[in-house]
Amino acid sequence: TQLLEQSPQFLSIQEGENLTVYCNSSSVFSSLQWYRQEPGEGPVLLVTVVTGGEVKKLKRLTFQFGDARKDSSLHITAAQTGDTGLYLCAAGGTSYGKLTFGQGTILTVHP
Amino acid sequence: DAGITQSPRYKITETGRQVTLMCHQTWSHSYMFWYRQDLGHGLRLIYYSAAADITDKGEVPDGYVVSRSKTENFPLTLESATRSQTSVYFCASGYEKLFFGSGTQLSVL
Repeated sequence: TQLLEQSPQFLSIQEGENLTVYCNSSSVFSSLQWYRQEPGEGPVLLVTVVTGGEVKKLKRLTFQFGDARKDSSLHITAAQTGDTGLYLCAAGGTSYGKLTFGQGTILTVHP
Repeated sequence: DAGITQSPRYKITETGRQVTLMCHQTWSHSYMFWYRQDLGHGLRLIYYSAAADITDKGEVPDGYVVSRSKTENFPLTLESATRSQTSVYFCASGYEKLFFGSGTQLSVL
């Protein structure tokens, strides 16, 4: 089982600030996904990265996959209160659905 | 409406009782999954199914039983509930992209 370390575990910032969440492992990932989860709901997929060095952008969110495919980051520019939630990284093995999840980062954006 | 639904949303039970959590999806996805979410552990895979009548263990299968007689349903049964099974349970379907239900919050007293 791949172990995914997410950091920080908690993040509390003001609206307009930038932030970065990290996801690291000693194993090589075949693919990595980022999910966002709101209270009382299931996780919702934000992005999938599969190529080392890949960068994907989703509006104010930038996702980066490390060159060695062992780490990933999620950067949010000019955070908004609507970004508040739990962010989870998840790594896939031979089967996409058999995901290993990180512990998650709880992001709170204050107005 | 198309989607994945879980029931019940909340369940309180006592140790030793049998509990079944239901999951239904309308996309005809072959793959379905059960995860549990606990503070500090993220989501952990309990069981998954590649198709009707095909199931396999995940990371934390002990104390759980699954079945999949129809593609759209994937119930999870706790045969004799224990306090350590107090958790939020999520069902998901899909393959390259997973779609999660809204979860069942289970408390075992």
